[in-house]
Amino acid sequence: QSALTQPASVSGSPGQSITISCSGTSSDIGAYKYVHWYQQHPGKAPKLIIYDVSERPSGVSSRFSGSKSGNTASLTISGLQAEDEADYYCSSYTRRATWVFGGGTDLTVL
Amino acid sequence: EVHLEESGGGLVQPGGSLRLSCGASGFTFSSYWMCWVRQAPGKGLERVANINSDGSILYYMDSLKGRVTISRDNAENSVFLQMNSLRAEDTAVYYCTRDQGGGAMDVWGQGTTVIVSS
Repeated sequence: QSALTQPASVSGSPGQSITISCSGTSSDIGAYKYVHWYQQHPGKAPKLIIYDVSERPSGVSSRFSGSKSGNTASLTISGLQAEDEADYYCSSYTRRATWVFGGGTDLTVL
Repeated sequence: EVHLEESGGGLVQPGGSLRLSCGASGFTFSSYWMCWVRQAPGKGLERVANINSDGSILYYMDSLKGRVTISRDNAENSVFLQMNSLRAEDTAVYYCTRDQGGGAMDVWGQGTTVIVSS
């Protein structure tokens, strides 16, 4: 069982917006701004798409946005495109000086 | 171009050892924390080990403590993962990554596959 809880799957139609949640505790997500999101296409290495809750690395589409409320972080993808179909993982620093991942969310673009 | 390339994976028997290597290029290697992340077949990501820029601070995943050692050679722009007493559950793709700060891994290698099986 992963330390952070994500929905196993989400889906949406092209052009729609979807949100993936990442639930933690006051010892990880709730305690730090160090919440990050990764996108992974099948057979490929993961790619950082959001860091420090809501920051976007250079080159990442503005359709990706992140937020946090209490112990839950969220990734929103707006204007859904076929190329967004991938697995998404959240990660957070913890009070135990460790890093934890969520179990991953499989995004299907219908 | 910023690049990481892993090597050293392969098939190993239970109880055996492997040393993974990762060569870096395109950035000032000695300025960054480096990490190893693994992904078992069909499973999620796990941060295996971290090492800070000068090699003085190390982090290991709880279930691997005592069996793995991370090290680096800043002169050679390389980071290593020595894995001992390997078990079937260590079978995974092992990625070398760069930590840009706060645990955000902004550069990933293509991964090297470790299979532990008799």
